[in-house]
Amino acid sequence: QKEVEQNSGPLSVPEGAIASLNCTYSDRVSQSFFWYRQYSGKSPELIMSIYSNGDKEDGRFTAQLNKASQYVSLLIRDSQPSDSATYLCAVKELGTYKYIFGTGTRLKVLA
Amino acid sequence: DADVTQTPRNRITKTGKRIMLECSQTKGHDRMYWYRQDPGLGLRLIYYSFDVKDINKGEISDGYSVSRQAQAKFSLSLESAIPNQTALYFCATSDQQRGDEQYFGPGTRLTVT
Repeated sequence: QKEVEQNSGPLSVPEGAIASLNCTYSDRVSQSFFWYRQYSGKSPELIMSIYSNGDKEDGRFTAQLNKASQYVSLLIRDSQPSDSATYLCAVKELGTYKYIFGTGTRLKVLA
Repeated sequence: DADVTQTPRNRITKTGKRIMLECSQTKGHDRMYWYRQDPGLGLRLIYYSFDVKDINKGEISDGYSVSRQAQAKFSLSLESAIPNQTALYFCATSDQQRGDEQYFGPGTRLTVT
């Protein structure tokens, strides 16, 4: 059973701080990784995709991938109360077009 | 804007009724998906489709059926709704030529009484 694991949280950070969200996955051949933000009752919104080891930056967001450790993370700099949401990690299965989602980490940014 | 739309957005129905949820997309993506989301259980895949001739079961397909009427339309049916099918349902699309990124529709909140 292929799995994506996330700490459910809540992760609480003060406004302006860096929020660090982590995800581990079980299928070591996976090549495509995604982070989504989901507000309560709304649909998941794609934040970033990452395919290669290392860091990928987009505005206040940085995704980090370490395939050897089967670990992907999302850093949110200068966290804002509007960043308070659940963050979902997703991994695409190699050779298929199926995605495995973690259950998400709830982030609370305190004003 | 290229988009993924779902109808209806909210639906309350009774046990035993047949109900159809519809999804349309203008993204030009070839793959379409149906997920359900329950509190604490995350997103679970019901069905997925590569094109109109390709339909595949996901992890929780029992009690559901789908139809891919066109490249841009993918419908989910509950043949005889039961209360434990009460959930938030999402349609999603992706395309290998565009980085495999998956995009979600706004969701349908379904309540079966």
